[in-house]
Amino acid sequence: AQTVTQSQPEMSVQEAETVTLSCTYDTSENNYYLFWYKQPPSRQMILVIRQEAYKQQNATENRFSVNFQKAAKSFSLKISDSQLGDTAMYFCAFMKHIWADSWGKLQFGAGTQVVVTP
Amino acid sequence: DAGITQSPRHKVTETGTPVTLRCHQTENHRYMYWYRQDPGHGLRLIHYSYGVKDTDKGEVSDGYSVSRSKTEDFLLTLESATSSQTSVYFCAISESPLTSGVTYEQYFGPGTRLTVT
Repeated sequence: AQTVTQSQPEMSVQEAETVTLSCTYDTSENNYYLFWYKQPPSRQMILVIRQEAYKQQNATENRFSVNFQKAAKSFSLKISDSQLGDTAMYFCAFMKHIWADSWGKLQFGAGTQVVVTP
Repeated sequence: DAGITQSPRHKVTETGTPVTLRCHQTENHRYMYWYRQDPGHGLRLIHYSYGVKDTDKGEVSDGYSVSRSKTEDFLLTLESATSSQTSVYFCAISESPLTSGVTYEQYFGPGTRLTVT
């Protein structure tokens, strides 16, 4: 079974600064998908960024980028130029590849609460 | 936003009563999921469906059952609610990456807050 660990329960960052959230996972699979979801106070789950394990290039979406280290099983999220609207809980999640058994099941970490201050 | 609705959005019920939560989608996606969210645990999969009448258990399925008689609806039933089932419940949908023109990530509904007293 896969496990996803987010070791930082809460992080605080000032507006315009950069914050990095850590995520490690444990799997014996070679191909898989990784995601970061954002959950603001509205409770809505919003996909921030996704990464396919077979792609070496790190994914980037505007101010959000990841550092994917496959050998270390690490998938960190960097938020650049932080904005007040980035205040939310952030979840790292793992999904097996389409060709694997149990494809589609997301395994989530416990989450990291990010607070952006003025 | 993906067309996913959940009903009810809030519910308070008593221990021992049956409860049914509904997830409705307008995207015609094949896969549907029920998760529960609890502090310190993130979201955990309860049950999922890979087609009409095709369902399977997730990691926390005890005390829950599901049904999917139509592509658009996925029901989660607590046969006899317990206080440990107090949680926020999320429905999600996705399509197979083998389907042309779609991506595989999951889209979530707004959630249902259930309190069992």
